[in-house]
Amino acid sequence: AQSVTQLGSHVSVSEGALVLLRCNYSSSVPPYLFWYVQYPNQGLQLLLKYTSAATLVKGINGFEAEFKKSETSFHLTKPSAHMSDAAEYFCAVSNQAGTALIFGKGTTLSVSS
Amino acid sequence: EAQVTQNPRYLITVTGKKLTVTCSQNMNHEYMSWYRQDPGLGLRQIYYSMNVEVTDKGDVPEGYKVSRKEKRNFPLILESPSPNQTSLYFCASSLSGRERNTGELFFGEGSRLTVL
Repeated sequence: AQSVTQLGSHVSVSEGALVLLRCNYSSSVPPYLFWYVQYPNQGLQLLLKYTSAATLVKGINGFEAEFKKSETSFHLTKPSAHMSDAAEYFCAVSNQAGTALIFGKGTTLSVSS
Repeated sequence: EAQVTQNPRYLITVTGKKLTVTCSQNMNHEYMSWYRQDPGLGLRQIYYSMNVEVTDKGDVPEGYKVSRKEKRNFPLILESPSPNQTSLYFCASSLSGRERNTGELFFGEGSRLTVL
């Protein structure tokens, strides 16, 4: 069965610092992987997705993620954090049947000035 | 504007009082789904619908019902709410659910439900 594990429920960075949010997946088939962001009192918004094309995926707001099959990882990065990046981030994998996304438990990103 | 609309956004109710959370999308999407979000648990799927009149259980369907009579609407029904159904609920839609879902899920803004 598909699953994702997000390492670290809270990550704190300073403005301008590198953002690294970790996600490891488990999948019995080639995975389709997603990162979503949730701002306070809002729904989830897609940041980027991997669907077996390029292993380095670029998303919105300067975020990118690299699919590493050997490490079963799909970590999210941004070179320079901005205050507006403070939010909760979810990694997700499509289930084998294609009927659901399986979400990780989320990582809250805090950005300090 | 393309969107998924949920109502109500906030609701406080009492145990046993039936309620319905409505969900409507204006993107002509075939696939719709309900998730609940609880602290430390992420999002878990309650029910999904691949198309009109086609619904199926997700991971946590107990205590919930759904229907899909029209393509754009997918209401979530709590026949007899209990306190363990206190949660933040999200409706989501996607263009197609026929193949492995590689498409973007569009989410509503959420409905925060408290059952006393």
